[in-house]
Amino acid sequence: AQKVTQAQTEISVVEKEDVTLDCVYETRDTTYYLFWYKQPPSGELVFLIRRNSFDEQNEISGRYSWNFQKSTSSFNFTITASQVVDSAVYFCALSYNFNKFYFGSGTKLNVKP
Amino acid sequence: DTEVTQTPKHLVMGMTNKKSLKCEQHMGHRAMYWYKQKAKKPPELMFVYSYEKLSINESVPSRFSPECPNSSLLNLHLHALQPEDSALYLCASSQVATSGPKRSSYNEQFFGPGTRLTVL
Repeated sequence: AQKVTQAQTEISVVEKEDVTLDCVYETRDTTYYLFWYKQPPSGELVFLIRRNSFDEQNEISGRYSWNFQKSTSSFNFTITASQVVDSAVYFCALSYNFNKFYFGSGTKLNVKP
Repeated sequence: DTEVTQTPKHLVMGMTNKKSLKCEQHMGHRAMYWYKQKAKKPPELMFVYSYEKLSINESVPSRFSPECPNSSLLNLHLHALQPEDSALYLCASSQVATSGPKRSSYNEQFFGPGTRLTVL
């Protein structure tokens, strides 16, 4: 059974538009962690945020914000005023089993000038 | 130092060659990982080392042989690979996540830039 679903395969926006990347997860554990990673064309996965299951407080970091809702098992990521440098593949991941990560299939974001 | 380094960046090898991928981190992390990533796919976990001991092997073929010589280094030895093994190989490190009610929360993984492997 798929544990992390990123239904948006690819999204294209024009610079300065806001964009939301969706992530839906599935787990029976009460303690778990959710992550977002960015993978630019260079290949390296860049850690963006970690959220644990006991903290539903939304978070904002500059142009990035995250909306965690346990009621809908979602952990969505919004980029405000997108820039060309935001173009990348973004992965949502779930961890509940020791050190094992379950990655979603990724969403490719294209930001056009 | 929050960097994970990997060498080489690119590797081309024949099916009869023996080569090794190297990974190094100096963040004091005691968990290290190997992932394989095919184009347009998410990373697939191959191996996890925790305190220099192999803790997870995701049924990886024996032509891939991991080694953790010390807490900072992780190697992946390659032998008799197939063309379908061509991929980006990513190394990562993290704090060790513990189980139980006081589970450690500091288990985000930090990734290296990867080695792009081509098997001819």
